[in-house]
Amino acid sequence: QVQLVESGGGVVQPGRSLRLSCAASGFTFSSYGMIWVRQAPGKGLEWVAIIWYDGSNKYYAESVKGRFTISRDNSKNTLYLQMNSLRAEDTAIYYCATVRGPNGSYWYFDLWGRGTLVTVSS
Amino acid sequence: QSVLTQPPSVSAAPGQKVTISCSGSSSNIGINYVSWYQQLPGTAPKLLIYENNKRPSGIPDRFSGSKSGTSATLGITGLQTGDEADYYCGTWDTSLSVVIFGGGTKLTVL
Repeated sequence: QVQLVESGGGVVQPGRSLRLSCAASGFTFSSYGMIWVRQAPGKGLEWVAIIWYDGSNKYYAESVKGRFTISRDNSKNTLYLQMNSLRAEDTAIYYCATVRGPNGSYWYFDLWGRGTLVTVSS
Repeated sequence: QSVLTQPPSVSAAPGQKVTISCSGSSSNIGINYVSWYQQLPGTAPKLLIYENNKRPSGIPDRFSGSKSGTSATLGITGLQTGDEADYYCGTWDTSLSVVIFGGGTKLTVL
């Protein structure tokens, strides 16, 4: 079955760290770029980070740059998001998705996971 | 405030047609492809349109996309109550090197 399953969310105190995982199955994970997108409660979609199919390139939203790190392990078919120095404004559902298209000009995101909720609160 | 501007809400009666606009600039929509996503209540986003006007397999032809200059439009015909959802446009901003989404449009089928 073709799917993405996120895990690792939970309640964490401000300033602490959390690592999210996104497990892929049913397709050739190593052939696709991957993206993390988040959605704060009642708000719209916000791009977080993107990584090339081989991990060679990564881009980050300004709001998380220097605090979050996207990575992947193609041998485990898994995408990660290491989140450090968490803030209340990082509270959101975090979705992973596959990236299609040869470069940024063409990118679109066609397979999404169900998301994992991260709550940053003391 | 999103770089891409969408109307917060639109509404129409069942069976009617609705359009949702997405306004950007010369560094994003003006030179890059646009995609559209549907998010039903309590669920993850779903790809509706990619490369401005292409539909993935399984998306009915009631959904269409177009682009002109620095704006894009999603059209939905034959509205059904099941189409009630939030709709987002997305693209790449070449100047900022970031993925951007519109603020989302809530569709109500009256």
